[in-house]
Amino acid sequence: QSALTQPASVSGSPGQSITISCTGTSNDIGAYNFVSWYQQHPGKAPKLIIYDVTNRPSGVSNRFSGSKSGNTASLTISGLQAEDETDYYCSSYTSISTHVFGTGTKVTVL
Amino acid sequence: VQLVESGGGLVQPGGSLRLSCVASGFTFSNYYIHWVRQAPGKGPVWVSRINNDGTSTIYGDSVKGRFTISRDNAKNTLSLQMNSLRVDDTAVYYCARDSGLVVPDAFDIWGQGTMVTVSS
Repeated sequence: QSALTQPASVSGSPGQSITISCTGTSNDIGAYNFVSWYQQHPGKAPKLIIYDVTNRPSGVSNRFSGSKSGNTASLTISGLQAEDETDYYCSSYTSISTHVFGTGTKVTVL
Repeated sequence: VQLVESGGGLVQPGGSLRLSCVASGFTFSNYYIHWVRQAPGKGPVWVSRINNDGTSTIYGDSVKGRFTISRDNAKNTLSLQMNSLRVDDTAVYYCARDSGLVVPDAFDIWGQGTMVTVSS
């Protein structure tokens, strides 16, 4: 199972919106609405910020939103803040009942 | 709600290691649990999943036949028996709770991780 494809880096100025894409196949992202996104600060465990494509867990800022079209999912961070500067990973359930993560995107706040 | 891993360390190629993950703060027996690993400087990679009663397990291709996931619901404990370890198994190993109560979904609770280093 190949990793989902994410851009290596995305940057934006404070207050701007940025979007991170996550491209898979018809056997993962395209097959189910079980796409999730994780934020990971250095030396810490990943933290769930979006599940089931669009849903936010309790306590996660509404500046984070998710969407999906075909085999590509997207995470949008609006009102970019300095604390958003870190790594982000997507993940999807697959048609063979496994899970796959994305290659990861480093977000830089200019 | 917490997951705490232990058992990591330094092991030679071809050796074995057993990781544990103790859960607290939730009804452990209601949830699927996963192992996810992350090599230094790399992204997370899903390793294995076990269903809530331990009757169904599944593995990623890179560990199939070498790793075994199991659970003891009476002790709120998840385990990962790792055999025939290779240098490329070097990673931080996380246990993670699945948010889905019917089908596998997202990883909503993570442990702090335990480091496994395979080196001669």
